[in-house]
Amino acid sequence: AQSVSQHNHHVILSEAASLELGCNYSYGGTVNLFWYVQYPGQHLQLLLKYFSGDPLVKGIKGFEAEFIKSKFSFNLRKPSVQWSDTAEYFCAVNGGNDYKLSFGAGTTVTVRA
Amino acid sequence: EAGVAQSPRYKIIEKRQSVAFWCNPISGHATLYWYQQILGQGPKLLIQFQNNGVVDDSQLPKDRFSAERLKGVDSTLKIQPAKLEDSAVYLCASSLPSDSPLHFGNGTRLTVT
Repeated sequence: AQSVSQHNHHVILSEAASLELGCNYSYGGTVNLFWYVQYPGQHLQLLLKYFSGDPLVKGIKGFEAEFIKSKFSFNLRKPSVQWSDTAEYFCAVNGGNDYKLSFGAGTTVTVRA
Repeated sequence: EAGVAQSPRYKIIEKRQSVAFWCNPISGHATLYWYQQILGQGPKLLIQFQNNGVVDDSQLPKDRFSAERLKGVDSTLKIQPAKLEDSAVYLCASSLPSDSPLHFGNGTRLTVT
């Protein structure tokens, strides 16, 4: 089974600051990688996903993530955050044809106006 | 498209009582998942259905938890009897069989006192 580690539990930023959230996974085979976001009071939503191809993937709302296979990492980035990016962010992984997702513990991001 | 519907949104029960949660997935989504999300942790898969058959229930505490999806659409998750450690948000998600990104409902927040 895969395990997912998110480096930061809580990140506090000011608007316009850059954001990078770390995610590492443990699985030796082919993986599918995801970032989900949960805004306050809302359900989990898919932010972006990586299945294959270009390791730099772009998602909604200006987010991007880079898959580095040699480091087993899939870090999430946004060059300039907004107050509305305040949310909890979850990295998730499934392996090959196993659609069962393993989630990290989540990172709470608070953006100060 | 309508999202994944869950009810109730909140439930408070005493330990040893029973509780049931309901989920209606997105129309056409054959795969349905129940996740448990304990405060401060990422979602953990409890059970996965493909149509009305169970694909994976390896992490479902079967002595007290049960789930069914009789007609391959709606699903119910039951806990009987509840324990304090069952306090969590119970998330339902659905997906197309060949499209692994999950679509989540708003969840049911269960408090066991």
